[in-house]
Amino acid sequence: SAVISQKPSRDICQRGTSLTIQCQVDSQVTMMFWYRQQPGQSLTLIATANQGSEATYESGFVIDKFPISRPNLTFSTLTVSNMSPEDSSIYLCSVKAMGTAYEQYFGPGTRLTVT
Amino acid sequence: RKEVEQDPGPFNVPEGATVAFNCTYSNSASQSFFWYRQDCRKEPKLLMSVYSSGNEDGRFTAQLNRASQYISLLIRDSKLSDSATYLCVVNRLDTGRRALTFGSGTRLQVQP
Repeated sequence: SAVISQKPSRDICQRGTSLTIQCQVDSQVTMMFWYRQQPGQSLTLIATANQGSEATYESGFVIDKFPISRPNLTFSTLTVSNMSPEDSSIYLCSVKAMGTAYEQYFGPGTRLTVT
Repeated sequence: RKEVEQDPGPFNVPEGATVAFNCTYSNSASQSFFWYRQDCRKEPKLLMSVYSSGNEDGRFTAQLNRASQYISLLIRDSKLSDSATYLCVVNRLDTGRRALTFGSGTRLQVQP
């Protein structure tokens, strides 16, 4: 499986600021995703990061709040904009495993606290 | 109704016990099924895919019942290291996406 890293691993941010989270994969992957896991909850898909085109957002998530870039097949960023305490969460990127239809592997996550 | 439902537990079992988790999914268009394991403050890790004929991986057995729309995971001879949250995960093809929908997880605590 691919080795996935995320930066930063954690951050504490002030209300109204923005944070960009990076996801780096050690091999080319076709699909990358961004999820959110709020305290005590399961994972919720934010968007699919598409290489060379705009991300595909799930219901309840918008580009202005969560802009995503994917400039190549091994890297993506997620920005959490104009943060509020409700954005405190773990943000995880995942990739579809090569040679499989749907199995996904996750990065270690970014733990965000907004004060 | 949630798309994927699981009993949150916790399931507290002694070492060596056999424990089973069930999960139901609401959308009949679901095509692929997985069990993930998530340790406290860690990312989810793929435990096993679930195939229509059922499949086994060591002490773990997964079953799928499409007619009833439920998935099960059986863990035999539980170890302390099995303590974790087990996430039932499905994928739907009808939206054309390859993203996954996660259940809220079942927490397992294996006790010495």
